[in-house]
Amino acid sequence: GDSVTQMEGPVTLSEEAFLTINCTYTATGYPSLFWYVQYPGEGLQLLLKATKADDKGSNKGFEATYRKETTSFHLEKGSVQVSDSAVYFCARINNAGNNRKLIWGLGTSLAVNP
Amino acid sequence: EAGVTQFPSHSVIEKGQTVTLRCDPISGHDNLYWYRRVMGKEIKFLLHFVKESKQDESGMPNNRFLAERTGGTYSTLKVQPAELEDSGVYFCASSPLLGGYEQYFGPGTRLTVT
Repeated sequence: GDSVTQMEGPVTLSEEAFLTINCTYTATGYPSLFWYVQYPGEGLQLLLKATKADDKGSNKGFEATYRKETTSFHLEKGSVQVSDSAVYFCARINNAGNNRKLIWGLGTSLAVNP
Repeated sequence: EAGVTQFPSHSVIEKGQTVTLRCDPISGHDNLYWYRRVMGKEIKFLLHFVKESKQDESGMPNNRFLAERTGGTYSTLKVQPAELEDSGVYFCASSPLLGGYEQYFGPGTRLTVT
C-alpha cells in the first residue's frame, strides 16, 4: 500500500557534522513530497517541499531532492547546529481521490551536541 | 495572521471519561484535517473537512470518535468513552481550498488516558 519509510532514529551528531535522513515512498504517480520538523515544545512546521520529480527543496540549510528513479527524498544538511535538534518527518501527499491528506513516515529524532 | 490553535495543549483523563479537543484553523482556510500520533508510530490521518462537510473520515478509529465543524470554522473532536489506546498527540492542520498542498499545523493536543 501507500507508505513512507523513514530512517529510524534517534540520530546523535556533533555540531557541524553532516546530516542525512533517508526517506523513501511508495505511490502511484509523482506525489508532492515534504519534510516537516517539530522542535521541542512546538507544533509541526513545514521545512521544505518538492512538487515534482527532480525538484530540490531547500530551507535553513537543509536540502532534499525528489528522485523518482529511487522513489526517495532524503534530507541533508552540510553542517548541523544545536538548534537543529528536533524530530523530522517525511511525508507525501495522497494523490488518489480528492483528499490531499498527508501520509507520514515514523519521524526521526535528531540530537545535536555542542 | 494567527496560526492554527488547539486546545487544550495537554489532557489527562481516566479510561471511560469523555474528552473534547478543539482546533481553530487559520481564518479563511476551508480544509481542516485531524491527525494522530500514537507513541512509537507514524502520524496517521483521521479525517478531513471541507468547510463544514466531512470529506473523508476513513481514518477515524471507531465510533467512539466524533468530529464536528459547525459553521465551517473551528472543529471539535470528541472521544467518548476514552480507552487507553487513544493516548497520543492529536494534530490539527488547515489549508486553503485553492493553491498548493501545504498544510499548516497546530501545536497538537497531548492526550493521556490512564
